[in-house]
Amino acid sequence: KNEVEQSPQNLTAQEGEFITINCSYSVGISALHWLQQHPGGGIVSLFMLSSGKKKHGRLIATINIQEKHSSLHITASHPRDSAVYICAVRYSGGGADGLTFGKGTHLIIQP
Amino acid sequence: NAGVTQTPKFRVLKTGQSMTLLCAQDMNHEYMYWYRQDPGMGLRLIHYSVGEGTTAKGEVPDGYNVSRLKKQNFLLGLESAAPSQTSVYFCASSPQGIASGQFFGPGTRLTVL
Repeated sequence: KNEVEQSPQNLTAQEGEFITINCSYSVGISALHWLQQHPGGGIVSLFMLSSGKKKHGRLIATINIQEKHSSLHITASHPRDSAVYICAVRYSGGGADGLTFGKGTHLIIQP
Repeated sequence: NAGVTQTPKFRVLKTGQSMTLLCAQDMNHEYMYWYRQDPGMGLRLIHYSVGEGTTAKGEVPDGYNVSRLKKQNFLLGLESAAPSQTSVYFCASSPQGIASGQFFGPGTRLTVL
């Protein structure tokens, strides 16, 4: 079964720190998504990427297709960034038009 | 725009009861999805639809049925609920399937006793 692995599972950091969350997958993909799940449960799509790098505000997502690895970075972290960050991929080769999700990284930013 | 809405937000069922979860979107999206989220596991795809009148099975379809009679609505049915279906259910929609971002509803927390 194709899997998506995220690390770390849990991360606690101080406000202002640079945060990195990692995602690795097993076979070729057509797209990778980063999602944010708020403490209240709502899920927001942050990025979708298939190559290179994307930036939105303090968030940066990168992907290395050859190494089957993606990272989500948060610069100048803030307590409002506290959430679960989820990596999801669309595997190449057809099949259901859905995503395979990682278990998420639970991030806590302390003031 | 309301985006993606889900009804109800919470529900408690007894084993064997039936119910329907409603997902509605006002963004004219073609693609709609039903996922379930369980503790310690990633979201898993139950069923999806690539357009009005179409449905397809995802990763964990057993025990669920779906219908997409109108483009804006995607219904998830449980004919005979089981405790294993206790979960949080998320609906999502997308304009171009997995090639574009997904918009999620707020979730429905279902408990089956």
